[in-house]
Amino acid sequence: EPEVTQTPSHQVTQMGQEVILRCVPISNHLYFYWYRQILGQKVEFLVSFYNNEISEKSEIFDDQFSVERPDGSNFTLKIRSTKLEDSAMYFCASSEEVSSYNEQFFGPGTRLTVL
Amino acid sequence: GENVEQHPSTLSVQEGDSAVIKCTYSDSASNYFPWYKQELGKGPQLIIDIRSNVGEKKDQRIAVTLNKTAKHFSLHITETQPEDSAVYFCAASIQGNQFYFGTGTSLTVIP
Repeated sequence: EPEVTQTPSHQVTQMGQEVILRCVPISNHLYFYWYRQILGQKVEFLVSFYNNEISEKSEIFDDQFSVERPDGSNFTLKIRSTKLEDSAMYFCASSEEVSSYNEQFFGPGTRLTVL
Repeated sequence: GENVEQHPSTLSVQEGDSAVIKCTYSDSASNYFPWYKQELGKGPQLIIDIRSNVGEKKDQRIAVTLNKTAKHFSLHITETQPEDSAVYFCAASIQGNQFYFGTGTSLTVIP
């Protein structure tokens, strides 16, 4: 069964450093998403991406964040200058299409720890 | 924006008993309500979903009900088994783009 994969599983970085989280969505999917989950809190939407551009983003997704699809398979989330409060589990998701009844498939997540 | 509340945060049941998890949402425009199961070290996996034009949906031991008037929806697991132990998340979506998640319910099924 096809699945979304994410690397690395755990990333430790120093405050102020840049990090890139990587995702490989399911191959025939066209819509990609990033969510984050701070420990003990809700899973929160960050951004959705379609046709090489951001289609929707939340208030969390400020200028420190960017997304990119550098090739035909990878989908990345970059945090330019990490802060302590960026420590969280980051989930990538993909879907075949966007409709009112759309299933998003989630990856296993990358745990980001900012020291 | 949409706000989804989920209760309880933890739930323990004896094997074979039923488990019920409840969620409420705030935006009447939400029309898609998936339920995800997250096992340790894995990402959320869809287990069942319901659309706003349906009041109830069942898949083997799992069922979901939706009350649009009251803006709440519930997950029902019957004949629980130890492998049902996981964290369950409800979510609401408007037009299928971003999902708004609940805070999660940690379900433990005691053998």
